[in-house]
Order: sequence, then structure tokens, then C-alpha cells
Amino acid sequence: AQSVTQLGSHVSVSEGALVLLRCNYSSSVPPYLFWYVQYPNQGLQLLLKYTTGATLVKGINGFEAEFKKSETSFHLTKPSAHMSDAAEYFCAVTRGGNTDKLIFGTGTRLQVFP
Amino acid sequence: KAGVTQTPRYLIKTRGQQVTLSCSPISGHRSVSWYQQTPGQGLQFLFEYFSETQRNKGNFPGRFSGRQFSNSRSEMNVSTLELGDSALYLCASSVDRSYGYTFGSGTRLTVV
Repeated sequence: AQSVTQLGSHVSVSEGALVLLRCNYSSSVPPYLFWYVQYPNQGLQLLLKYTTGATLVKGINGFEAEFKKSETSFHLTKPSAHMSDAAEYFCAVTRGGNTDKLIFGTGTRLQVFP
Repeated sequence: KAGVTQTPRYLIKTRGQQVTLSCSPISGHRSVSWYQQTPGQGLQFLFEYFSETQRNKGNFPGRFSGRQFSNSRSEMNVSTLELGDSALYLCASSVDRSYGYTFGSGTRLTVV
């Protein structure tokens, strides 16, 4: 069965500092991996995804993530945090088959201090 | 291009009542999935519809049901509402899983 673990339910950084949100997955087959962001009272917005090909993927708002098969990780990073990055971030996995579903991690709330 | 539209945005219902939520996917997206989000359980998969057929189902009681119409619009229904059904219900549409899922803003259901 697939699963996603997000280490750290809360992460706090100063504006301008590096953002690192951790995600580890479990999957018996090559996974499709996603990062979503959720602002208060909003739905989920896709930040980036990994399906096949290049393991370093770039997304919106300056975020990127690297798929590391040997470490079963897909950590999300941003070189310099901005106040507007404060939100909840979800890592998700699916196998990509026609009968599969998106499995989410428990989320990480990012706080950015001035 | 219009996004995923969920109606209504907010809903207050009484225990024992039933409720129907609506989701209009992005034009051309034939897959529609539903998720329940609560502070305690996080994001949980309810079901997925593709071309009017339920393709996958999560671990929810039979009180939760859904359907999809020929224009890909989807509805989910919850009967005999319980207090624990209070949640944000999110709908997502997709043309193919490799492209990811586009989510709507959700329907906030409060059961009193």
C-alpha cells in the first residue's frame, strides 16, 4: 500500500531564509508525486509534480523538489522565503493507474516571520 | 479557462438531514474525485468518477454516495448527517493523473 510521511507538522522560517519541507513516500511501484499548497479557506493548488524524467522538478512561486528514489524522498525547497509563502503544504502520491487514488500526507504548516 | 467550481461554498445542516454538494470540473476533464478534509483525519479520499462510472472508492460508510453526469459534472450526497460529517469537502478534476489534479475551493459543511 502507498503512504506519505511529512516530517514536521509546523515549520517556521525567517523571511529570506531557506524553506525545506520534508516528504517521504512508500510505494511498491514507481510513484507519481505531487506537492500542493493550501491557503486559509481555499482549496489545494498544485505547486509541482514528478511523474517521469528529470528528478529535479521546478514549480510555481520559486519552489522545487527532487525525487530521490534511493531515499524514497521528495522534499520541497525554496531558496528564499517570502511572507506570502505562509500556508499549509501537502505532499501526495499516486501510482498513476486508472484505478488508483491520491494519497496525502498530514500536511506541514509553514510560518514565515519578518 | 474556468477552474473547478464547487457549490455551495458554505452549508449548515442539522443532524439527520441529507445534503447534496455539486462540482463542475474543468472543461475536458472526465475524472472527478472527492475528498473530505478535517483537522483530525486530514485529507481522505471519498470516491472518483470517470465517464459517469465510479472508478475508485474510499473507506466511508454507505451514507456517502456520488454520481457523475454525462457533462462530467458530479454530485456527492450524504444522508443521515452526523456531527462528525462536518468538514471541508473538496472536489478535484483531472484529464490524466500524470498531469495532476485541479482542486476547487471546497464546500464547508457544518452539521449542528
